[in-house]
Amino acid sequence: DAGVIQSPRHEVTEMGQEVTLRCKPISGHDYLFWYRQTMMRGLELLIYFNNNVPIDDSGMPEDRFSAKMPNASFSTLKIQPSEPRDSAVYFCASRLPDRGRFGELFFGEGSRLTVL
Amino acid sequence: GNSVTQMEGPVTLSEEAFLTINCTYTATGYPSLFWYVQYPGEGLQLLLKATKADDKGSNKGFEATYRKETTSFHLEKGSVQVSDSAVYFCALSSSSASKIIFGSGTRLSIRP
Repeated sequence: DAGVIQSPRHEVTEMGQEVTLRCKPISGHDYLFWYRQTMMRGLELLIYFNNNVPIDDSGMPEDRFSAKMPNASFSTLKIQPSEPRDSAVYFCASRLPDRGRFGELFFGEGSRLTVL
Repeated sequence: GNSVTQMEGPVTLSEEAFLTINCTYTATGYPSLFWYVQYPGEGLQLLLKATKADDKGSNKGFEATYRKETTSFHLEKGSVQVSDSAVYFCALSSSSASKIIFGSGTRLSIRP
């Protein structure tokens, strides 16, 4: 079975440009999470969805960040306009349904973003 | 709010040494506790978990016991290998929400 698939794996862009990160969760998983990893702040939860509906976006740093999940097999995280401090590795993770607090998260390999 | 605190790294050990990585948590109710591992260039993957007090999670020679009285979930391994070099994350899932909160991670390096 394919795992969580993220694209692009690496993105280098200039300040002010729009960045779109993509995620395909594991089929049948109904939770999807976006995390950001930096040396300074570690692993931060940005937003998560259940059945394509955003449940908690309190970790989204500011209005420049937005996330959508138009269907069960696809999600995007968009940054517009991007800034150098957005440079990080962005992870997508998904989880099986009906596992409540016991569920294991399955992570993608991450998208490494560098904003110059 | 809920939080996880784990020992700062990096931790460097010789092969076959004993490993302990400390983790304590703050949470309301009865959280589930996890250790995740991240190998270079990869995403995180679950190493072990415990869902209630006094449970012991174990996998690949690693163990951790859910201690409610000390709010701890320390990771241990009796004899580490070079292949254990990675970043280890302690995490919790609260009883009132579906999200998982991670500690800051501990980088482990094992010398041959």
